[in-house]
Parts: sequence; C-alpha cells; structure tokens
Amino acid sequence: DTGVSQDPRHKITKRGQNVTFRCDPISEHNRLYWYRQTLGQGPEFLTYFQNEAQLEKSRLLSDRFSAERPKGSFSTLEIQRTEQGDSAMYLCASSFSGSSGNTIYFGEGSWLTVV
Amino acid sequence: QKEVEQNSGPLSVPEGAIASLNCTYSDRVSQSFFWYRQYSGKSPELIMSIYSNGDKEDGRFTAQLNKASQYVSLLIRDSQPSDSATYLCAVRNDMRFGAGTRLTVKP
Repeated sequence: DTGVSQDPRHKITKRGQNVTFRCDPISEHNRLYWYRQTLGQGPEFLTYFQNEAQLEKSRLLSDRFSAERPKGSFSTLEIQRTEQGDSAMYLCASSFSGSSGNTIYFGEGSWLTVV
Repeated sequence: QKEVEQNSGPLSVPEGAIASLNCTYSDRVSQSFFWYRQYSGKSPELIMSIYSNGDKEDGRFTAQLNKASQYVSLLIRDSQPSDSATYLCAVRNDMRFGAGTRLTVKP
C-alpha cells in the first residue's frame, strides 16, 4: 500500500493524558498536512510542512499541540494534556508541490476520543 | 469572513437530476481549487481540480471556476444514490476547506 498511512486509527484516552499520532506520507511527496475534523464540519487546517520545515501553523492551534517532521518523511502530531474538546478525527494528507498543481491525498484518519 | 464558504445544505435531489454545489472564497490570489467527496466516517477523496477560469468536465462531473467573482462550483449530472456524500471545496496550495455540503440523492 503506497498511500498515506496513519497510526493509530483509533485512540481513547483519559482527559489530561498526552497522545501522539503518526503519519507516513506517500514516499515522493514533499508536503505534509495535518487537519482536524469534527462531525458536520469540513477539515480544519492545523499545520503543514514542506520537507522538514513547518511552513504554517494555524493560530487556532493551542500550545498543547505540536507537530514535527524531523527528516522530511514521517510526521508526528502530539496533543498534551488532552481535553474533551480535542475529540475529533485527525487527518493527515500529503502532496507534491510541482508545477502541475498540488493535489493532496488523505490518510484514513486517526479518531481520538477523550473521556 | 471565512476563507472558504459553501452552501450549508443539506441538498436533496432526485435520482437522475443535476446537483449543483457552490463555493466562494476570500483570497483573490488563490490559484488552485479542488472538490473532494467524503462519505460518512471516511476520509476525503479528490473528485476534481481546476486552475483556470471556465468549465472542466470529467464524466458526470463539471467544475466551474470564476476568479473574478471568486466562486467555484461543481455540477453532478445524472445524480445517483451513490453520489450521496458530503462535498468539500478546497482552495490554495495550503488547502483551506469549506465546511462541506451534504448531498442526498433519493432513488
């Protein structure tokens, strides 16, 4: 399978715990995106990387959220001191920023439930 | 003003009809526009991309772009029950999404 891979697919955690999600993009893609999606809403932009550089981070993202892409390949999204409002699907996507456009491909998502 | 706005829906059309989905955006310099389909509980999947003013057709789908008016639309001809999903509009290279329009095609 050469698509975008996310792990874990489902996570249930207690409020106050830290969680980390991993994303493996399509191998030749240099851009990687993180989104959060709640029921009935479109994907909400969190951050994106080009190679290992984090080019933009949403101002909606609190200090409890951090993302890394240390070698320009896989990425991690960590949420510290989780709150019930963090319950959502966290989507990772990747793309290649070539001249023909910037079509992104999504992973299957990581569902987070904070209890 | 939100960066990307879509008809809030839900939109319901009978099987075989044309479904029309609209999207407006605020950033005048946007050059890339995308329509995604998302089934319940699944991740979005690309339907079409469009970069130039005018129409782009792909099978039963037609994307229309008007940069002067800052809107992009998606027409689905001969709608099928399998088209029932949420349709997401996205703009710009960093992919800002609208809230989506839920479409139901009734047999």
